[in-house]
Amino acid sequence: QVQLVQSGAEVRKTGDSVKVSCKASGYTFTAFAMFWMRQAPGQSLEWVGWINPDNGNTRYSRKFQGRVTITRDTSASTAYMELSSLRSKDTGVYFCARDGIEPGNGGDFWGQGTLVTVSS
Amino acid sequence: SYEVTQTPSVSVSPGQTASITCSGDNLGNKYVCWYQQKPGQSPVLVIYQSNRRPSGIPERFSGANSGNTATLTISGTQAVDEADYYCQTWDSVSVVFGGGTKLTVL
Repeated sequence: QVQLVQSGAEVRKTGDSVKVSCKASGYTFTAFAMFWMRQAPGQSLEWVGWINPDNGNTRYSRKFQGRVTITRDTSASTAYMELSSLRSKDTGVYFCARDGIEPGNGGDFWGQGTLVTVSS
Repeated sequence: SYEVTQTPSVSVSPGQTASITCSGDNLGNKYVCWYQQKPGQSPVLVIYQSNRRPSGIPERFSGANSGNTATLTISGTQAVDEADYYCQTWDSVSVVFGGGTKLTVL
């Protein structure tokens, strides 16, 4: 069965960086793109970026452009989301989700989420 | 940048029909997905391509999208359907989420 397992909770200081991993299993990793989203406490979902694991192509939200880097390791079937220059507003749960192949498919499987806490 | 708007909260009695809307400029020309999220859990896709239901999602969930409004309809709402619901669409190369609707089943 399809599973996305994310790395554990992280605590960082203002100005630090954090790297969250998302290990995929149960399907061909390179056949589906991967979304990354953030959910601040009590808030809506927010798109961070997207990667095509087959060729490594990425797209980023303008809000995070310049601070976020999404990569993948196809040998480990794992996607990574690194966010730098952290500030308190970056505190939240970060989710990865598999993007269905066809246009409009959305995130059909989600990771369990990774809580990132940024404090001064 | 493109934005979609959801009503913050909707209340429904058990067994009745709940309608949750998502509004955006010419949204009917875009695909819309809907996610259900319960407290402390990851979102679950309940509608994709505006009106298609993933396997395992109950038939009482349906979607429509026309004009400027997409609608998630839950027929015969059950207590287990109480959750936050988010719409999501695409704008050129960006992914856009609505602010979410809290569905309360009274």
